[in-house]
Amino acid sequence: AQTVTQSQPEMSVQEAETVTLSCTYDTSESNYYLFWYKQPPSRQMILVIRQEAYKQQNATENRFSVNFQKAAKSFSLKISDSQLGDTAMYFCAYLTGTYKYIFGTGTRLKVLA
Amino acid sequence: DADVTQTPRNRITKTGKRIMLECSQTKGHDRMYWYRQDPGLGLRLIYYSFDVKDINKGEISDGYSVSRQAQAKFSLSLESAIPNQTALYFCATRGKAAGSRPMEEQFFGPGTRLTVL
Repeated sequence: AQTVTQSQPEMSVQEAETVTLSCTYDTSESNYYLFWYKQPPSRQMILVIRQEAYKQQNATENRFSVNFQKAAKSFSLKISDSQLGDTAMYFCAYLTGTYKYIFGTGTRLKVLA
Repeated sequence: DADVTQTPRNRITKTGKRIMLECSQTKGHDRMYWYRQDPGLGLRLIYYSFDVKDINKGEISDGYSVSRQAQAKFSLSLESAIPNQTALYFCATRGKAAGSRPMEEQFFGPGTRLTVL
């Protein structure tokens, strides 16, 4: 069965600095999708970025980028130029071949002024 | 207007009561999901439905039931609520991209915070 592990329950970063959130997963599938979702205090789940496993190129969305290492089964999220509005819980998620999502336990990020 | 709505947004109830959480969507998506979120556990899948006649149990379905009344509506029921069902509940939808291949992105409702005393 697929699993998703986020080993950093909490992190903090100074405003304007860069932070990296870690995610590892376990699967025997060859093609799949990976996601990072953001959950601010409003509790709404917001898609930050997605990556298809067969694409070599790392996905980028403005200040958010990923480091996808397929062989190592690692999918980290880098936030550049951190802003106060980035303060949130971040979830890594995996989409299985049977179209179910598996979520990690989350990393609570606090951006400090 | 929000594409995925959940009612109620907050609910406090007592042990043994029957509770229904409702989810409606205007996105025209065929796939709908119910998750619960607990601190330190992330989101866990309760039930999912690929269309009105296709309902499947997720990893934590015990104590819950669902009803897909129409393509746009997917309700979650707790027949006899217990305190360890206190959690944040999310509904999510997912549709088809071009052709029959489903889109990979899920769209979430705003969540329902349920407290069982």
